[in-house]
Amino acid sequence: GQQLNQSPQSMFIQEGEDVSMNCTSSSIFNTWLWYKQDPGEGPVLLIALYKAGELTSNGRLTAQFGITRKDSFLNISASIPSDVGIYFCAGQPGGTSYGKLTFGQGTILTVHP
Amino acid sequence: EPEVTQTPSHQVTQMGQEVILRCVPISNHLYFYWYRQILGQKVEFLVSFYNNEISEKSEIFDDQFSVERPDGSNFTLKIRSTKLEDSAMYFCASSGTPSGGFEQFFGPGTRLTVL
Repeated sequence: GQQLNQSPQSMFIQEGEDVSMNCTSSSIFNTWLWYKQDPGEGPVLLIALYKAGELTSNGRLTAQFGITRKDSFLNISASIPSDVGIYFCAGQPGGTSYGKLTFGQGTILTVHP
Repeated sequence: EPEVTQTPSHQVTQMGQEVILRCVPISNHLYFYWYRQILGQKVEFLVSFYNNEISEKSEIFDDQFSVERPDGSNFTLKIRSTKLEDSAMYFCASSGTPSGGFEQFFGPGTRLTVL
């Protein structure tokens, strides 16, 4: 099946620093989404990307859909303590916009005040 | 803001027992999904449901699993005879409005513990 490689696995940063994480795939995805998950809760959608090359922002978050359709990155600027959590990328395969999501392994973000 | 809800939040059961996990998707959504997440691992797709039938399922979703939309609001996942390895968080998600919108929104999850 399709696999997503997400990196880094974990990050320890100081409050105020910028963060970057990315996902790569061996196959093409039609849609990329980025989610944040807090312990014991469900994934919360942060950003959705639909077109190759698309760059989308949501507050301090910026994400890009790679031009090859096989990768995406998420940047968080000026991190704050509430940014702590697990960030997942997820891709939907080509052919349908309503298909299953394949998730990356997650990036655990720790922000030191 | 509309949200996906799930009940119960935590279910403890004995191996071999049947469990039913319940979800209320966002009201105008057309596509419904179940995912699971074993502790410390990534979220895995189980099944998608559209127009009152399964549209796609993973290899995890074997004959022990079934889904149903018994009325206009609920969406359920039944595990017929639970195994220890079924212990996980189970998430319901929904997507797809008549006017578009492909984003999948997730519920808070049900933690299933099989003893």
